[in-house]
Order: sequence, then C-alpha cells, then structure tokens
Amino acid sequence: KQEVTQIPAALSVPEGENLVLNCSFTDSAIYNLQWFRQDPGKGLTSLLLIQSSQREQTSGRLNASLDKSSGRSTLYIAASQPGDSATYLCAVYLVGTDKLIFGTGTRLQVFP
Amino acid sequence: GAVVSQHPSRVICKSGTSVKIECRSLDFQATTMFWYRQFPKKSLMLMATSNEGSKATYEQGVEKDKFLINHASLTLSTLTVTSAHPEDSSFYICSARGTATYEQYFGPGTRLTVT
Repeated sequence: KQEVTQIPAALSVPEGENLVLNCSFTDSAIYNLQWFRQDPGKGLTSLLLIQSSQREQTSGRLNASLDKSSGRSTLYIAASQPGDSATYLCAVYLVGTDKLIFGTGTRLQVFP
Repeated sequence: GAVVSQHPSRVICKSGTSVKIECRSLDFQATTMFWYRQFPKKSLMLMATSNEGSKATYEQGVEKDKFLINHASLTLSTLTVTSAHPEDSSFYICSARGTATYEQYFGPGTRLTVT
C-alpha cells in the first residue's frame, strides 16, 4: 500500500528564508508527483507536476525535485513571503490505477 | 483551461436529510471524476472513483449506500449524502480527469455542516 509522508508537519519561519519541504513515498511505481497548495477552508491550487521521467520542475520561486528510486521529493521555496503561508500537499499518481494518493501535508507560516 | 466547479460551496442541513453536491468540468470532458473527503487539519482521502456511464468504485470503508455518486454525463458528477448525520460534516472536494492526461483538476470544495 502506497503511503506518502511529509516532513515537517508544521513550519514557522521569518520572511525571506529559503525553505525545503520534504515528501516521501513507499512505492516507487508512480506516474507523476504533484505539489499543491491549500489555503484554509479552500480547495487545492496546483503548484508543480513532475513526470516520472523528470527530475525537477521550476516555477518562479518554487523548485520541486523527484528521486523515484529513493521515494523522495522536495519542494524548495526561495525567499519566502507571508503570502506563502498555507498547507502544502504532495501527491503521487499510482501506476496501474487512476488514484492520486495525498501526503500528510506541511502547514507553513511565514511571519513578517 | 481545465476548470472544475462545485456547487454549493457551503451547505448546512439538518440531521436525517439528504444533500446533493455537484461537480462540473467547465471546459473539458471528464471521463473520470473523483470524490475526496477532508477532515479538519487532515489530508484528502479518496472516497470513490466514477467513470461516465458506469457505477462508481468506492474505497474501502466508504458506504456506497450513504454516499451516492452519479456520473451521468462527461461534464457532471454528483455526490449525494443520504440521511446525513453530524459525523458526515466535512469538506468534500471533487476532481476531474480528461482522456489525454493522468492529471486531475480539482474543484474548490464544498463545506458540509450537519446540525
């Protein structure tokens, strides 16, 4: 059974810091891995999708890497801002199914 | 492109009544739709997968007679919570997938409160 874990569960940092959020999964048989952002009481905003053949994706201040063999992904946030405060979720698409399995989430707070 | 809507965004109902939540793909045809449930400060849990014109496939532990899913067209899926109870209060999120990609596109969610 695929399990997706995110560390840390919560993080509070001052504005301007560079951050690394970690995601690990137990079964490397995945199609893609996707990072989402969720604001309180809201739906999901897709940040980055990494295909299994790729090692990283970048969008603005965000960079996500994928190491399938070790079952790990990281989301790097450069020069964090208070507007980055949200819950960040990683999710993996399982090979052979339609399913998307979500991680446990990291609650990020960036204070001015 | 790839916009998914949900209606209503919030609903409050009395215990014992039924509530219907709609999920629509606005600019693409969704052959498969998914329903997730999210408890406060928890991650999303897949409830069921529905393919257009077929019966939904429910995840283990999800009562199919309580959570009725209909996917009658390529742009609409509905989730009906029957005989709702306070423990059914939760945030329900749908997603939709077209034919060309594995990527799922998510709706904004529906907050259900059962009193």
